[in-house]
Amino acid sequence: KQEVTQIPAALSVPEGENLVLNCSFTDSAIYNLQWFRQDPGKGLTSLLLIQSSQREQTSGRLNASLDKSSGRSTLYIAASQPGDSATYLCAVLDNYGQNFVFGPGTRLSVLP
Amino acid sequence: NAGVTQTPKFQVLKTGQSMTLQCAQDMNHEYMSWYRQDPGMGLRLIHYSVGAGITDQGEVPNGYNVSRSTTEDFPLRLLSAAPSQTSVYFCASSYGGALHYGYTFGSGTRLTVV
Repeated sequence: KQEVTQIPAALSVPEGENLVLNCSFTDSAIYNLQWFRQDPGKGLTSLLLIQSSQREQTSGRLNASLDKSSGRSTLYIAASQPGDSATYLCAVLDNYGQNFVFGPGTRLSVLP
Repeated sequence: NAGVTQTPKFQVLKTGQSMTLQCAQDMNHEYMSWYRQDPGMGLRLIHYSVGAGITDQGEVPNGYNVSRSTTEDFPLRLLSAAPSQTSVYFCASSYGGALHYGYTFGSGTRLTVV
């Protein structure tokens, strides 16, 4: 059974810092990996989708990498801003290619 | 373009009551699913559907029913609400499976069972 973990569970940084969020999964036979952002009391917003054949995806100040063989993905946020404060979740598409398995999330606080 | 719409946004039920959480999408997505989110446990899959007339169970299906009579709608029914079903429920959809486009989520329904 696929299991997804995220480290750290919570992170607090001053504005302007670059930071890395980590995601690990136990079964490397994934189809893709998706990073989401969730604001308090809100739904999930898709940030980046990385196919299994890709190594990384970039969108603005966000860069996500994928290393299937080691079962890891990282989300890099450059020049963090208070507006980046949210919970970040990663999810991997299971072996049947239909359903995502989610990690528990990393709660990020960017202090002004 | 409304995306994925969930209603209601908030609901309080008494133990034993039944209710239906609504989910509708206007993107002609074949795949739809229901997740519940609990503190410290992440999102867990309840039921999913790969097209009209086809549904299947996820990780935590007990106490919930679904049906998919149209492509647009995927309601989740709580048969006899229990306090353990207090959670935030999310509906998600995808075009042609999540292989190429990932998921689009609704804004959630916060359910409290007392």
